[in-house]
Amino acid sequence: NAGVTQTPKFRVLKTGQSMTLLCAQDMNHEYMYWYRQDPGMGLRLIHYSVGEGTTAKGEVPDGYNVSRLKKQNFLLGLESAAPSQTSVYFCASSSGGIQYFGAGTRLSVL
Amino acid sequence: GENVEQHPSTLSVQEGDSAVIKCTYSDSASNYFPWYKQELGKGPQLIIDIRSNVGEKKDQRIAVTLNKTAKHFSLHITETQPEDSAVYFCAASNGGNMLTFGGGTRLMVKP
Repeated sequence: NAGVTQTPKFRVLKTGQSMTLLCAQDMNHEYMYWYRQDPGMGLRLIHYSVGEGTTAKGEVPDGYNVSRLKKQNFLLGLESAAPSQTSVYFCASSSGGIQYFGAGTRLSVL
Repeated sequence: GENVEQHPSTLSVQEGDSAVIKCTYSDSASNYFPWYKQELGKGPQLIIDIRSNVGEKKDQRIAVTLNKTAKHFSLHITETQPEDSAVYFCAASNGGNMLTFGGGTRLMVKP
C-alpha cells in the first residue's frame, strides 16, 4: 500500500517553461488536494477536488491548473513557470477528514 | 473563512523537557483539530487529533487539549527525544474534508 505518491521529487525549470506534477493515491479517496509550502508560511491550498471530474480553487490558485480525470490521480500544471512558483508542492488525499500527504516535489524556477 | 494562528514559530528544548505548542482558531463552527508532524524531506503525517466533544486526548508522550470557549488548542510533548525534532502543524476543520493549517512550529530537541 503506497498511499500518496508524487512525481517528480525534484525539478528545475526556466522561467516560462511548463510542467505537470503527478499525484497518485491508492486509498480510493474522493478528496484530493494540492498545497504549496514556502518558508515561514505553512501550507497553502492551491486547488482541490471532491471527486473524479471535479476541481475547485483554493487559497492561491493563480498560475496553476489541475485535472482529475481518474479518481486516483490529481495533476497540477504550471503553464508558464515564474520564479514566485519556486516552492515545495505537496499532494494529499483524505477520508473522514484525515489528510494523507505525499513526500513532496521540490520545484525551483530560475 | 477560518484563520488558524500557531505559536511559537520555533521552539528549542533540552532532551527530556516538555514542549508546548499553541494554536488559536477563529471559526466557532470548527469541530476537528488535527496535529501533523513533518520530518525533514517528508510530507506531514497525522500524529494526534481531537474533536470538539472532548477536552483532552493522550497518546503516550503526546497530548492535545482543547478550550472551545477560548477557541484555542495545544499540543503537549513530554520527555522530549531527539527524534521529536521536526516541524509541527496544527489545523482546524468544521467537519468537512477541508483543513486550515497554522503556520508551523519548528521544534528542536537538543541532546
